[in-house]
Amino acid sequence: QKEVEQNSGPLSVPEGAIASLNCTYSDRGSQSFFWYRQYSGKSPELIMFIYSNGDKEDGRFTAQLNKASQYVSLLIRDSQPSDSATYLCAVNVPGGYNKLIFGAGTRLAVHP
Amino acid sequence: EAQVTQNPRYLITVTGKKLTVTCSQNMNHEYMSWYRQDPGLGLRQIYYSMNVEVTDKGDVPEGYKVSRKEKRNFPLILESPSPNQTSLYFCASTMTGGSEAFFGQGTRLTVV
Repeated sequence: QKEVEQNSGPLSVPEGAIASLNCTYSDRGSQSFFWYRQYSGKSPELIMFIYSNGDKEDGRFTAQLNKASQYVSLLIRDSQPSDSATYLCAVNVPGGYNKLIFGAGTRLAVHP
Repeated sequence: EAQVTQNPRYLITVTGKKLTVTCSQNMNHEYMSWYRQDPGLGLRQIYYSMNVEVTDKGDVPEGYKVSRKEKRNFPLILESPSPNQTSLYFCASTMTGGSEAFFGQGTRLTVV
């Protein structure tokens, strides 16, 4: 089982709709969860992080965390064509180094 | 401006010719990592460093070397590149092991 799993997509949504991106992780001890956006050929950029169960909102973005289900999601409201990118979920794996493990990413396409 | 700087951005080389990709960060971060990104496989960690002179293998270390002689620099060395090392490479730094990762601009390497 992969440590961090994401649906590769593409997830296609119309402009103005809500895009829902999902991520599951395997290590129950994980404490830190991140969502990165990556445009083609560019470096990942952080858009949200969440540490506690529940929802965290920042502008059009909402991160949701359910540690019992080992599930983290990202909602993008009022999706815009500029949101079209690959979204990477990253989860820390506790241990000596406490490193970040990345999912393979979900490609989002927002069409006008 | 806080940043991670990688050089070069693009590199085409021939099989067996040693090369070095440089990485430097100005945030005084303890942790630095190298990743490679291939289609469908996401970001895979090559090597990481927890501090000066402290490095360890990530998930795909074969064919790579690193060194951390100064806190700000973490070069990636390919002693004898092969075509299967053609990839997009990212350097990243973090304050602590599981905290937000800051990425360099990426290096697109082609080995022919």
